[in-house]
Amino acid sequence: GENVEQHPSTLSVQEGDSAVIKCTYSDSASNYFPWYKQELGKRPQLIIDIRSNVGEKKDQRIAVTLNKTAKHFSLHITETQPEDSAVYFCAASSSASKIIFGSGTRLSIRP
Amino acid sequence: DARVTQTPRHKVTEMGQEVTMRCQPILGHNTVFWYRQTMMQGLELLAYFRNRAPLDDSGMPKDRFSAEMPDATLATLKIQPSEPRDSAVYFCASGLDTSNEQFFGPGTRLTVL
Repeated sequence: GENVEQHPSTLSVQEGDSAVIKCTYSDSASNYFPWYKQELGKRPQLIIDIRSNVGEKKDQRIAVTLNKTAKHFSLHITETQPEDSAVYFCAASSSASKIIFGSGTRLSIRP
Repeated sequence: DARVTQTPRHKVTEMGQEVTMRCQPILGHNTVFWYRQTMMQGLELLAYFRNRAPLDDSGMPKDRFSAEMPDATLATLKIQPSEPRDSAVYFCASGLDTSNEQFFGPGTRLTVL
């Protein structure tokens, strides 16, 4: 079955700098790659996603890139702000429903 | 603003007791997922349903866990008997089988003493 690995497990960046989180997946049939943000004590919420027919997608300060050949995808957050502090999960899906999550990255933004 | 709801939000129980967690998916959604979140394991998929039929419960300890959908508006996750290692936050999520996006409920924080 699908296996998703995520790095790093923790990341601390200065406010205003960029943050990058990387994930790899094992199932070449995976075609959907969402990213979820989970604030402390809250539910995970979808922040951006990408499908396998697209190499890059942007939404304001957030961008995701996908390399299908290498089976890895990344989340880029630019001009980080204190409210970006959270745990971020990458995920991969090869079916219409089932999603496998990475282990999460705890991002801290230093003032 | 339609949201997935879960009850109870918090549950403290003693080892050996039965625990039932409930989830109300967003009206119209036909897929329901149960996840367990611990510090060590991240988000583990326990079971999921499509049109109320269980499709995959391979992530669930079969001897003590059971998941059902009595109707389209209610999903339940039951642990009997509960053990301290079951302490975690249990999330329910729902979606449509025509879309990959899942919407999470607020979770049930379970503590087994």
